[in-house]
Amino acid sequence: DAKTTQPPSMDCAEGRAANLPCNHSTISGNEYVYWYRQIHSQGPQYIIHGLKNNETNEMASLIITEDRKSSTLILPHATLRDTAVYYCIVRSYSGGGADGLTFGKGTHLIIQP
Amino acid sequence: DGGITQSPKYLFRKEGQNVTLSCEQNLNHDAMYWYRQDPGQGLRLIYYSQIVNDFQKGDIAEGYSVSREKKESFPLTVTSAQKNPTAFYLCASSGRQGLSEQYFGPGTRLTVT
Repeated sequence: DAKTTQPPSMDCAEGRAANLPCNHSTISGNEYVYWYRQIHSQGPQYIIHGLKNNETNEMASLIITEDRKSSTLILPHATLRDTAVYYCIVRSYSGGGADGLTFGKGTHLIIQP
Repeated sequence: DGGITQSPKYLFRKEGQNVTLSCEQNLNHDAMYWYRQDPGQGLRLIYYSQIVNDFQKGDIAEGYSVSREKKESFPLTVTSAQKNPTAFYLCASSGRQGLSEQYFGPGTRLTVT
């Protein structure tokens, strides 16, 4: 799986959009971009994933650049409960079944009141 | 409620003792996983199982053992051979398809002294 690079920490004001960048310049054609987040001392939570089109769900939007070398996770109206570590993960479709995820250190997003 | 349970939340053991961490899921998922997390770090894959009676080593399997006798259960044993067992242990499950999202349990924090 391709490696990802994320800033170690970011601040965002409550009520504003939080934009979390991720660089994955070595991504290959069959690799998807996944985002998970982990609130302190809890298990990670799946947020969203995409291949090349932008995706949106009830939690967030995922914007992937046309060359797929980077992406941005957008939390449209951040709340204090969104304070967490956000992990960007690139994952290939093995076709043979589920396998584990490779987590980096992620971005610690702090929502300021 | 459907989900993943891990027990206990906190576990204390003396050095040299084996200890087994429990993980149960009622999501009818075929695949289950064990991860380890050290302070300030991302998760690392210990073992995973795609189906009952089958499991594979992850990136850091040394000093650990697992079994998968039932679909719902995937216990992890931390043996005395594990040099640095103190960590936060997370269990997850997913569908068997290659891109299925993983659902995580609340974790067990193991302290060995």
